[in-house]
Amino acid sequence: EVQLVESGGGLVQPGGSLRLSCAASGFSFSTYSMNWVRQAPGKGLEWLSYISSTSTIYYADSVKGRFTISRDNAKNSLYLQMNSLRAEDTAVYYCAGDRDYTFDIWGQGTMLTISS
Amino acid sequence: QSALTQPASVSGSPGQSITISCTGTNSDIGGYNYVSWYQQHPGKAPKLMIYGVRNRPSGVSNRFSGSKSGSMAFLTISGLQAEDEADYYCGSYSNKNTLWIFGGGTKLTVL
Repeated sequence: EVQLVESGGGLVQPGGSLRLSCAASGFSFSTYSMNWVRQAPGKGLEWLSYISSTSTIYYADSVKGRFTISRDNAKNSLYLQMNSLRAEDTAVYYCAGDRDYTFDIWGQGTMLTISS
Repeated sequence: QSALTQPASVSGSPGQSITISCTGTNSDIGGYNYVSWYQQHPGKAPKLMIYGVRNRPSGVSNRFSGSKSGSMAFLTISGLQAEDEADYYCGSYSNKNTLWIFGGGTKLTVL
C-alpha cells in the first residue's frame, strides 16, 4: 500500500523549534519529489517547500530562512526542521509526493500548535 | 504571491452538474498545463482528482473532468452525488517566487 505517515507535531511555544518527519512506504521514494503543505484551521492549503529526488530545494517566502526541508532516501523519510515558530504557523502539516507537478500521494497530516 | 481565485462555495442538487472555476495568471495557469484539482472531506487529507489540466488518476470517477481556458481552469462534476460534498482546491505550478500555488478552496454543497 502506498503510504505517507507524518509525525512530530504537537504544542510548541512561540520562538521554539520542531522537526516533522514523514515516513514513506509502498512506492519508490527515492525517485519522487516531495513537498510539505500546511493548512491552518479553517483555511486553505499552503505550499511550503519542495525537494527533488536529487535534493534541489525551494521554499515559500513565508517560511524561507526559518524552515529547512531534507530527505533520507535510505530511510524513505522526509523531514521539515522548523525554527523561530510563530502563532501563524499553527496548522496541519502534510507531506505530499510529487510526480510531474502533481501531488499524487498525501499523508494524513500532523497538527502543530504554536501557543504560550 | 496571492492564491489562485476560486468561488467560496457552489451548490447543486443530486444528478445535476456543477463547475468550479480557478483564476490565475500567465505566470501559473496561463503559462503551464500543470493544473490539478484536489478533493478534501472534513478532517481528511486532500485527494488528487484531476492532474495535467484534464487527466483523471486511476480510480477517480469519470464524472469529474477538468479544462482550461487562458488563465482560468475549471473542474466540472456531473451527476452530483451526496459523497461529492467536500472542499475542492485547484493548484498550479508557478514561475514566480513560489514553486506551487493553490486556490483558496471551494465548498461544494449537495442539496
